[in-house]
Amino acid sequence: QLHLQESGPGLVKPSETLSLTCSVSGGSIRSNDHLWGWVRQPPGKGLEWIGNSHFTGRTNYSPPLKSRVTISVDTSKNQFSLKLTSVTAEDTGVYYCVRRWGENGADFEYWGQGIMVTVSS
Amino acid sequence: QSVLTQPPSVSAASGQKVTISCSGSSSDIGDNFVSWYQHIPGTAPKFLIYEDHKRPSGVPGRFSGSKSGTSATLDISGLQTGDEADYYCGTWDRSLSIVIFGGGTKLTVL
Repeated sequence: QLHLQESGPGLVKPSETLSLTCSVSGGSIRSNDHLWGWVRQPPGKGLEWIGNSHFTGRTNYSPPLKSRVTISVDTSKNQFSLKLTSVTAEDTGVYYCVRRWGENGADFEYWGQGIMVTVSS
Repeated sequence: QSVLTQPPSVSAASGQKVTISCSGSSSDIGDNFVSWYQHIPGTAPKFLIYEDHKRPSGVPGRFSGSKSGTSATLDISGLQTGDEADYYCGTWDRSLSIVIFGGGTKLTVL
C-alpha cells in the first residue's frame, strides 16, 4: 500500500518561501503512469490544486500560482517537494501531497495526512 | 475560488439515501470525467469515485456516481454515521488547464 508523508516547517514568515517535502513509501516514484503533486485547503475553505510533476521532470502548475510554484522530484530519495515563494497570509492552510493518475482529470488516488502551514510574522 | 457548485450541506437519516450534486460547465464537467472525494476533517481525503461512476478498490457499493451534461451527482445509500464528512467533486477544466474542485458539501447523518 502506497504511503505519502508530508514534512516541513509549520510556520513561515510573509514574503519568504514555503518548502515542503513528501516522502513516498510502499511504491516507486519512478512511475510512468502517475504524477506527484500538491493540493491545499485554506482554513474553512475547499480544496485547491497547486500542481504536479512527473518523475521525468515534466510539470504542470495551477495558473494563478504558476509564477510562485516549483514542484520537483528526487528519484534517489523517492521524494518530491514543493516550493512556494513570496508567501502571504492567503497561503495559510493544510497542504496535502498527492499521487495523481493522468493529466486530464482530477484522479488523486493517494493523499498524505496533510501538514498545516501558517504564514505569519 | 470554487468553479464547481455544490450545496453547502445535506442531511438524511441513518439507513436512508442522499444525493449530492455538482454543477459545472461545458469546459469542465461537460468535457471531462468527474471524481469524488470523502474528507473527514483531520484525515486524508479519500478517493471515492473516478471517471464519473467507477469505484476504486475498497469503496463500498453504497457510493455511486453519475453524470449528465454539465452536472454530476454522488449518491450514498444505506447511510451510516461513519459517512458524516465533507464531500468534494473535482474535474479538469480544459480551457483553464487547471484541476477544479467544488466548494464541498457537509453531510450530516441524522
